Order: sequence, then structure tokens, then C-alpha cells
Amino acid sequence: RKEVEQDPGPFNVPEGATVAFNCTYSNSASQSFFWYRQDCRKEPKLLMSVYSSGNEDGRFTAQLNRASQYISLLIRDSKLSDSATYLCVGYNKFYFGSGTKLNVKP
Amino acid sequence: DTEVTQTPKHLVMGMTNKKSLKCEQHMGHRAMYWYKQKAKKPPELMFVYSYEKLSINESVPSRFSPECPNSSLLNLHLHALQPEDSALYLCASSAPEATNEKLFFGSGTQLSVL
Repeated sequence: RKEVEQDPGPFNVPEGATVAFNCTYSNSASQSFFWYRQDCRKEPKLLMSVYSSGNEDGRFTAQLNRASQYISLLIRDSKLSDSATYLCVGYNKFYFGSGTKLNVKP
Repeated sequence: DTEVTQTPKHLVMGMTNKKSLKCEQHMGHRAMYWYKQKAKKPPELMFVYSYEKLSINESVPSRFSPECPNSSLLNLHLHALQPEDSALYLCASSAPEATNEKLFFGSGTQLSVL
């Protein structure tokens, strides 16, 4: 079931860089989305909820583009600790995208 | 720290064994989930319980048998597993009546089938 699609990456960026991931969705009725972060061998943890007005939390900004049916996650001033896999979840709240791997290098 | 507790953290079993995975939450959530995750893949939904009733079964083989004895507990009974069933098994819960139905995950059980 491919409700959401993600670029698997990996995205390799230097510390301090700004990086953005997209997640495209197929169901135009979708109202809310989520970004989860998963570290290696750990459980996913909710990073941000995404609503029509977008969401910002410190260095992280999530936005929804309804016209093009995608959500984005922007990370500013990347830290080494941001290295993880970022998973999006869409309309069917139980189904994850394939995840985007981020490697932040010193 | 997670508020969803899974036991055991690690499990090694033979193909003829019967074992159970346990999951507990005390957040008053009425939806609980089992996911299976293989290395380098996203979590794959197996089962959803809503108000203690099985609402989704993603065509999971019968060697996996879920059970929800009450609103706080979720079990996954395992019998006659295959080596390809080795994976991280994640339990999650959510408040289905909430408009933003965030999932809270346990730390998982790493299962190896020999």
C-alpha cells in the first residue's frame, strides 16, 4: 500500500547545512500528516505533526503543499545528532513511507 | 522515555517453539498496534486493535496470533515461526478519538528465529 512516497536517500550533508525532504501522498482527502524520526535499532518517535498551516519547532519546519500533494521537512543548521531515518505518515495514519536516511557529517 | 512497555527486549526461538510478546500502556489509549520491521525497511503494519477488538489484520500468517485481553495490554503469540520472521516487532498505541492520532511506540522486541 503506497499512500505516501519518500526519497530513500541517503542525504549526506555537512554539519550546519540546511536539508529538506519531501513526502508525496496520493489521497487528496488527507488532512493531517506526521513526521517520525527513527534512530538505528530504535523505535520511531514523533518529530512533528503537519497541518494545513504548517508547523515550526526550532530548527525544524514542516509544511503541507496541497496543490502538489506533498509535505516537506526542512532542517536548518544540521547537527550530527540529526542523523537518522525520517518517516512520514499520511491519511491512513498507520502506514509509513519508506523513510529518508539523513547522514550529517562533521 | 517511552510510555509503551514491551517485553522481552530480545528473544531467540526455534521454529518449533511457542512464545509470546507482550505490550502494555497506561495512557488510556484505546487503539493498539503491532508492527514488524526488517533492517533498513520502514515499520510494516500487522494488526490494529480498536477498543479491544481486532479492526485490521494485514493478511498476517496464522503463526502470528494477536490478543488484546484489556485496554492496556496487547500480546502477540508466536508459533512455528520461520527464520524470515526474524525482525524487530514494535507495539504502538494511540488515542483513536483524537483528531491528530499520533502513535506512541514501545522500544520493540528483537526476535531471532533459528
